[in-house]
Formats: sequence, C-alpha cells, structure tokens
Amino acid sequence: AQSVTQLGSHVSVSEGALVLLRCNYSSSVPPYLFWYVQYPNQGLQLLLKYTSAATLVKGINGFEAEFKKSETSFHLTKPSAHMSDAAEYFCAVSDGGLSQGAQKLVFGQGTRLTINP
Amino acid sequence: DGGITQSPKYLFRKEGQNVTLSCEQNLNHDAMYWYRQDPGQGLRLIYYSQIVNDFQKGDIAEGYSVSREKKESFPLTVTSAQKNPTAFYLCASSPSGQGSGYTFGSGTRLTVV
Repeated sequence: AQSVTQLGSHVSVSEGALVLLRCNYSSSVPPYLFWYVQYPNQGLQLLLKYTSAATLVKGINGFEAEFKKSETSFHLTKPSAHMSDAAEYFCAVSDGGLSQGAQKLVFGQGTRLTINP
Repeated sequence: DGGITQSPKYLFRKEGQNVTLSCEQNLNHDAMYWYRQDPGQGLRLIYYSQIVNDFQKGDIAEGYSVSREKKESFPLTVTSAQKNPTAFYLCASSPSGQGSGYTFGSGTRLTVV
C-alpha cells in the first residue's frame, strides 16, 4: 500500500527566505503526486501535481516541486516566502484506482508553515 | 464557476442524534469522496462513489452512511453509532481516471455538544 511521510509537522521561515517542505512516498508503481494547501477552516486547494511528465513541476503562487524517483521524494519549494503563504500543506500520492475508476489519494500528516516578519 | 458546495459550515450534534452533511458539485465529476480530518492525523477516507446509486466504504466507514441518488449530490450521515464524531469533514470530487487529483469543498466542522 502506498504511504506518504511529511518530515516536520511545523516549519517556520522568515519572510523572503526559502521555503522547503519535505515529502517522501512509498509506492509499488509509478505514482501520481500532489501538493495541496489548506487555510484555516477551509478546504484543500491544489498547488501542483506530478503525473510522469516533467520531473520539475511548477504550481500556483510561485511554488514548485521536484520528483526524484531514486530518493522517492517530492519536496515542495518556493524561493521567497510571503506572509500569505502561512497555511498547512499536504502531500498526497495516488498509485492506483479504487473500484470503478475512482482514485484514492493517500495524504501525509500535513506541515504547518509559519512565516516570521 | 464550477465547484463543490458543502453545508452547513458549522454543525452541532447532541449525543444520540444523526446528522446529515450536504455536498453538491457542478463540475460534472463522476467520482465523489468524503474525508475526515483530525488534528495531526491528516485526512482519512470515509466513503467514495464512482457512479449514481453505488458507493464503497473507505478506511473508516463505521458509524457513517451515504447515498448517491444524483450525480451532483453525495450527502454524508453521521449516525449515533459514530462514537467520536467531532471533526472537520471534507467532500471532494474527481473526474474518472487517474492523475487528476481532487477538487475539495470548503468543509463542515461538526461538534458534539
């Protein structure tokens, strides 16, 4: 079964600094990988996804992630943090379907990102 | 604009009551899902449905029930058998096939009083 590990439940960076949120996955087949962002009391919004095309994936709000098969990683980065980036971030993996074509995403535990002024 | 609407945003349940959470989508997505979110535990799949009048249990289906009478709607009932229902509930939908990911609603926060 696939699984996702997000290293660090809480990451704090200064405004303007590099943001690095770590995600490692386990999957027996080539996976689909996703990063979502969640603001307080809201649903999850898709930041970016990897679907076996380019290994470096660019998303919204200046975020990007690199798929590294040898390291089974899909870390999320942003060169310069902004106060509005403060939120919780979830990495997710899907490596197969559920019955009848539905897709199951398995989520990591989440990383809360705090931005210091 | 297309999207997923969950209602209500906040819901309070007394002990022993059943409550129903609404989820409606106008994205023309085939599949719909219910997840439960608890602090520090990520998201856990409750139920999912790929087609009308059919649905499957997820990882934590005990104490919950669903229906899928219309493609657009996938309500979740939290029954009195669910012993710890206080949580944030998220509905999502996706097109058929792999790799598209989910579109989420804005969630319902359920509290037992």
